[in-house]
This record gives sequence, C-alpha cells and structure tokens, in this order.
Amino acid sequence: GQQLNQSPQSMFIQEGEDVSMNCTSSSIFNTWLWYKQDPGEGPVLLIALYKAGELTSNGRLTAQFGITRKDSFLNISASIPSDVGIYFCAGRGFGNEKLTFGTGTRLTIIP
Amino acid sequence: KAGVTQTPRYLIKTRGQQVTLSCSPISGHRSVSWYQQTPGQGLQFLFEYFSETQRNKGNFPGRFSGRQFSNSRSEMNVSTLELGDSALYLCASSLVLAGASYNEQFFGPGTRLTVL
Repeated sequence: GQQLNQSPQSMFIQEGEDVSMNCTSSSIFNTWLWYKQDPGEGPVLLIALYKAGELTSNGRLTAQFGITRKDSFLNISASIPSDVGIYFCAGRGFGNEKLTFGTGTRLTIIP
Repeated sequence: KAGVTQTPRYLIKTRGQQVTLSCSPISGHRSVSWYQQTPGQGLQFLFEYFSETQRNKGNFPGRFSGRQFSNSRSEMNVSTLELGDSALYLCASSLVLAGASYNEQFFGPGTRLTVL
C-alpha cells in the first residue's frame, strides 16, 4: 500500500535535546496528523493540522503543515524520557477518506 | 469517557485456522476502521465501517472481512490464516466517516495475532 516518506527512521538523543522529524508525500494532502505509539499500545493522536502553513503546538510539541501541502514537520523541545516511542505522520488527500501513514520515526533517549 | 477497547489483546493461532477480533469504539463514535501493523509494511488500512455498512476497503484479500453491529461495535474476521497474517491489528473509531474534516480517529491498544 501507499506510504509517506518519513525521516529519520530512528533517532538517538540525550535527554533535554530538541528533536525534529518530517514527512513528505508525492501528492497533496488536506490533513496532516501526528501520532505517537508506545510499545504494545495503539497510536495516540498528538496534533492535527488542516490548513497549509498552519503551525500548531501541544505542550513541548509543535507541528507544521507545509505550504506545498506535500510535507509536514514535528518538533519536540527539551526531550524527556517519556518521549521515547515511535512517531507516525499520517495524511489524507482531497476526496480521499483513507489515511496514509508514514513509516515511523523511532525515538530513543540515551542515558 | 472510555477509549477504544479491543479484545483479545493477544492471540496465538495456527495456519489454516480462522480468528475473530472485536472492537468497541468510543461512546458516540459511529465509524470504526481496522488497520494491520507489521514491521515490514507499517500501518495498512483494512476497511472502515459506518452505520453497519462497509464504506471503504484497503487492498487485502477476501480472507479479511468485518462487520459492524447496531451499537457500532465491530468485529474483524480472518479465515484460513497464513504465517504472514501475524501482526498487530488496530481498530480506530471516529464520530462520523473518517474522511470528514476535524473528525479524527482514535486508536485502541490493538490485538497481537501470532500465527504458527
């Protein structure tokens, strides 16, 4: 099935560092979503974006809907141990009811 | 408000058997979507049910089927299990059809299916 290109695939950082990840698509989207998945659990919705250029924050998380509608970015500031997990982007195109998911970014915090 | 619940959480089956997974959406949510998650293929959309009718379908063989009851609870069935069906099966609920704006999906914890 179709997937978004999400990068990086994995990140190893120290506590307190900032994190950036992004997703790109070959087609334009009208919705971008960011989810976090902990081991053994389902994805949890973090941020939803609906307008090109939109910048939305949720605590230490900030996500942006790219102007081209083909990309989105997620930043995490001052990372803490509970940020560990896999982050997924998801997008939905115009006239398309199905979500397409990115391949995920695995975030690990090095002690 | 209770979240999406899925039962069972873990299941072990052998090739050729069939399996039924259950999903109870968030109260008031009428749409239930099912996804398969594997390390190699990521999250793949199976199908979506709304008002007891299948509204969208992913690219999976006919061995994968589902249904939705009048209380919006949904079941997914996989017949003639294959080794490659081993995966985490996730269901997600939303208020209305998943394609509507400002109407996002909330996931359950998943059912981990292992086929031996």
